[in-house]
Amino acid sequence: QQQVKQSPQSLIVQKGGISIINCAYENTAFDYFPWYQQFPGKGPALLIAIRPDVSEKKEGRFTISFNKSAKQFSLHIMDSQPGDSATYFCAASSGGGTYKYIFGTGTRLKVLA
Amino acid sequence: NAGVTQTPKFQVLKTGQSMTLQCAQDMNHEYMSWYRQDPGMGLRLIHYSVGAGITDQGEVPNGYNVSRSTTEDFPLRLLSAAPSQTSVYFCASQPGHNTGVGAFFGQGTRLTVV
Repeated sequence: QQQVKQSPQSLIVQKGGISIINCAYENTAFDYFPWYQQFPGKGPALLIAIRPDVSEKKEGRFTISFNKSAKQFSLHIMDSQPGDSATYFCAASSGGGTYKYIFGTGTRLKVLA
Repeated sequence: NAGVTQTPKFQVLKTGQSMTLQCAQDMNHEYMSWYRQDPGMGLRLIHYSVGAGITDQGEVPNGYNVSRSTTEDFPLRLLSAAPSQTSVYFCASQPGHNTGVGAFFGQGTRLTVV
């Protein structure tokens, strides 16, 4: 019940295309859903996050779509760029965004120039 | 601002050796935590702290100890290293509960146990 399932494991997208990464969870107590971006040799960096009281959040080219009834959320990267090539992790936590995150297994995105 | 600083960046240990991974943050964050990252498994929580003097176990605590004597520092100790502890370790800090701000991660320590 504590798992966060992430797909796909890897993704190749052409420059200018849309990248979509999906996550699903079981624990209905989760109330904070961040996405992290990680470049090789670096620590994860917070990209965007959402709470379950909204169905969508957009920041620049990055959008989170959230479906509370289906217990699923996804990251959409519009106009994907080669600089977006990285590993993306979804995560979930309960208690108003605490330190105890459950992470997905990651998606390695490659954007072709 | 340095953010979250981890040392060392790389370490090779022999089985049975002990060592301490250092983590320091200069953002006056309440919460600090340690994760390990293994291929295909995402990040898993080892130990966490909600303030100086308070620590608790995460998902995979066995073989690790922590302490938090100051707000800034949160060292992770490996008592007797095992090959299964070969991993990349990340320290993270966060301002506090329900702040709407996610965790800040350090650059990681790549540990190999032979």
